[in-house]
Amino acid sequence: KAGVTQTPRYLIKTRGQQVTLSCSPISGHRSVSWYQQTPGQGLQFLFEYFSETQRNKGNFPGRFSGRQFSNSRSEMNVSTLELGDSALYLCASSLEGRAVIDTQYFGPGTRLTVL
Amino acid sequence: AQKVTQAQTEISVVEKEDVTLDCVYETRDTTYYLFWYKQPPSGELVFLIRRNSFDEQNEISGRYSWNFQKSTSSFNFTITASQVVDSAVYFCALSELESNFGNEKLTFGTGTRLTIIP
Repeated sequence: KAGVTQTPRYLIKTRGQQVTLSCSPISGHRSVSWYQQTPGQGLQFLFEYFSETQRNKGNFPGRFSGRQFSNSRSEMNVSTLELGDSALYLCASSLEGRAVIDTQYFGPGTRLTVL
Repeated sequence: AQKVTQAQTEISVVEKEDVTLDCVYETRDTTYYLFWYKQPPSGELVFLIRRNSFDEQNEISGRYSWNFQKSTSSFNFTITASQVVDSAVYFCALSELESNFGNEKLTFGTGTRLTIIP
């Protein structure tokens, strides 16, 4: 079974631009979560989607948004990029996003650099 | 609020030595889940183990073993006879049952960078 895939793997943008990152979950997984990893703040939860609905959201500004499609693929968007948005963005998928039965499996990440 | 502390920022050991990575957590819930992930230089987080709060049995998987102690809120990870391929950053994480619908959200520790010296 193929793992979680993320595209693109690397991205360079300038301040003020916007960016869209994509995540394809493991086949059969319906929950997709996004995390931001930076040297200063570590790994932080962004949001989680299940059946095209955002169920949980971390403490990030509204510039960070996401969506999920009917095939469970997910995208996250960051508008008006700031230097501090430079990070590794990790996507994780699980069957139903229920801690009782699930484990999150992570993709390789998208490394975003904002200049 | 839940919190995970990995006090060891970096550890270096010589190959074949045993090494223990510490993890201490805080939570108000009685039902929660603990995880360990490995992050090699490639960046992907690799799942290692999951443990629920009702199962305090220690677990061994090859050279890896985990010691879960609710009394001290710790979930420590030991690598026996370490190898160079074990060099990576290791993260401990906590998930609480926020609702009947799940809303699984992982809270991570800051990670421990393990370097195995050949």
